[in-house]
Amino acid sequence: DVKVTQSSRYLVKRTGEKVFLECVQDMDHENMFWYRQDPGLGLRLIYFSYDVKMKEKGDIPEGYSVSREKKERFSLILESASTNQTSMYLCASRSGLAGDRRTYEQYFGPGTRLTVT
Amino acid sequence: AQSVAQPEDQVNVAEGNPLTVKCTYSVSGNPYLFWYVQYPNRGLQFLLKYITGDNLVKGSYGFEAEFNKSQTSFHLKKPSALVSDSALYFCAVSSTSGNTGKLIFGQGTTLQVKP
Repeated sequence: DVKVTQSSRYLVKRTGEKVFLECVQDMDHENMFWYRQDPGLGLRLIYFSYDVKMKEKGDIPEGYSVSREKKERFSLILESASTNQTSMYLCASRSGLAGDRRTYEQYFGPGTRLTVT
Repeated sequence: AQSVAQPEDQVNVAEGNPLTVKCTYSVSGNPYLFWYVQYPNRGLQFLLKYITGDNLVKGSYGFEAEFNKSQTSFHLKKPSALVSDSALYFCAVSSTSGNTGKLIFGQGTTLQVKP
């Protein structure tokens, strides 16, 4: 089974702090994603990485950056946390090496509920 | 613009009754459609997907979904609901812009199954 783990289930940070959210997958997947989940809005893509050191902006990248130095690890960074970044953050991974990557399902971690006060 | 709509915020059914969670989509080209379930304080779990072929797709936990191209729908169904099916359900479609395959999600539907 694919396993995607996230470093924290719950996190409380103060406005202005730099925040790191870590995600690790154990299936040698090429593609990794960061989403935020808010009630009534579903999931929105923040950033996507299709390979090591490669990244692409998603739909809501403002205020976030990412890092992927190793294939199994994808980090989301909030450079200066703000209260409107209080949310559930979900990491996902997906195989993408062969064929049409759009047909592959994504595997999600348990999520990090971040509160910024 | 590509989009997914789940018209019901909440669906209530009695245990043992059939359930349907509705989803409609709008994409250009061939749609690749997915259903995920989220239990409280958990991440999303993949249920099933439609890529091509038979319009009725079977997935995990006894769920199935019917793809209807003319109605641009992909409704999730189960013949007999269980209390343990109570969760948040998301429909998603793979974006056909470029080849990133990012998922576009609906806003989610809460399924409540009562004993």
